Amino acid sequence: LAKTTQPISMDSYEGQEVNITCSHNNIATNDYITWYQQFPSQGPRFIIQGYKTKVTNEVASLFIPADRKSSTLSLPRVSLSDTAVYYCLVGDDGNNRLAFGKGNQVVVIP
Amino acid sequence: DSGVTQTPKHLITATGQRVTLRCSPRSGDLSVYWYQQSLDQGLQFLIQYYNGEERAKGNILERFSAQQFPDLHSELNLSSLELGDSALYFCASSVAGGGEGETQYFGPGTRLLVL
Repeated sequence: LAKTTQPISMDSYEGQEVNITCSHNNIATNDYITWYQQFPSQGPRFIIQGYKTKVTNEVASLFIPADRKSSTLSLPRVSLSDTAVYYCLVGDDGNNRLAFGKGNQVVVIP
Repeated sequence: DSGVTQTPKHLITATGQRVTLRCSPRSGDLSVYWYQQSLDQGLQFLIQYYNGEERAKGNILERFSAQQFPDLHSELNLSSLELGDSALYFCASSVAGGGEGETQYFGPGTRLLVL
């Protein structure tokens, strides 16, 4: 199971683009990179998933460099409601276990 | 709304008691996963069921058990409850048996408070 490293927390102003980086130096060849968002007292919500290069959906973009040892979640023009913990997950342990680390607490400031 | 439902939303009970948490997966999903989230431990995987059979086991205590029924809903049974079992319990579901690239969709959780 590839270990991930994320900043513990970050602040951003409303309307700005927020980029959250995740390091995963030991990513395996068949590992996907998945990001979840969690609001207080709610279940994690799937945001985006990718394998390489760039993936974009209606919520976010995911940038993955060629070596795949890191990834960046980009949230365009954040609002106060984007304040949440963001988790980066890489692969699983072969037994379908999603290993959530500490995540990155993003606080959007008015 | 993920399509995963969990009941009850809140549960308050006493030490030594037994409770049952219920989860209904998204329509068509065959796998159900249970996670525990406490302040000091973060989100911990407990157990997975796929089409009625236990598929994977995580950090689940022997006092805890789960099952998945023919209609694919699942129940998590917690017995001999201790103060430290107070946590949020989440259920998630996925289309198939899990594995690379398969997304898990989480329910709203059950908040358990053991007094």
